[in-house]
Amino acid sequence: GDSVTQMEGPVTLSEEACLTINCTYTATGYPSLFWYVQYPGEGLQLLLKATKADDKGSNKGFEATYRKETTSFHLEKGSVQVSDSAVYFCALRGVSGGSYIPTFGRGTSLIVHP
Amino acid sequence: EAQVTQNPRYLITVTGKKLTVTCSQNMNHEYMSWYRQDPGLGLRQIYYSMNVEVTDKGDVPEGYKVSRKEKRNFPLILESPSPNQTSLYFCASAPPVGRSHSDEQFFGPGTRLTVL
Repeated sequence: GDSVTQMEGPVTLSEEACLTINCTYTATGYPSLFWYVQYPGEGLQLLLKATKADDKGSNKGFEATYRKETTSFHLEKGSVQVSDSAVYFCALRGVSGGSYIPTFGRGTSLIVHP
Repeated sequence: EAQVTQNPRYLITVTGKKLTVTCSQNMNHEYMSWYRQDPGLGLRQIYYSMNVEVTDKGDVPEGYKVSRKEKRNFPLILESPSPNQTSLYFCASAPPVGRSHSDEQFFGPGTRLTVL
């Protein structure tokens, strides 16, 4: 079945450092790919998405490119802020038997220090 | 405001005492789902529903029940809660299959359940 693997956390950075959170996936067909963010005490919310190969999703300074050849969707930000401290989930939506099948990675905690 | 609501937000109960966590969405979404979130295990799907009166098991359905009598509501029922069901629970909804393959899920704020 479909699966998503993302790097273990926590990732600890100083403010203004560069961020990369790796995400790779296994899926049949051509899934859509998502990054969700969970701020402390809140539910998940969509950060960005990409629907086909070579698409780049971007939002709030974060970017991720859908790389079909490497089955990856790594999350990047050039300069993180303390307010970016959160848990980040990579996810995909595949199509299996006509059903909506969402699959999530285990989440990566990001801690940004002033 | 488009949203998914869950109640209660926090609940402490004892083993064996039946409980229901409600979930409601106002976006007319066909798809709804329940997840539990545990440290080191990420999000695991409990049950999902493609439409009214249609429900299916997710990855960890044991000990849970759901019902989908109306489009907007998708309650999670624990008939006889046990301590291993202590967790953070999220409800989510999404637009119907086929409208857009890329549509994301919308999540509720979470319910923190403790079973003593």
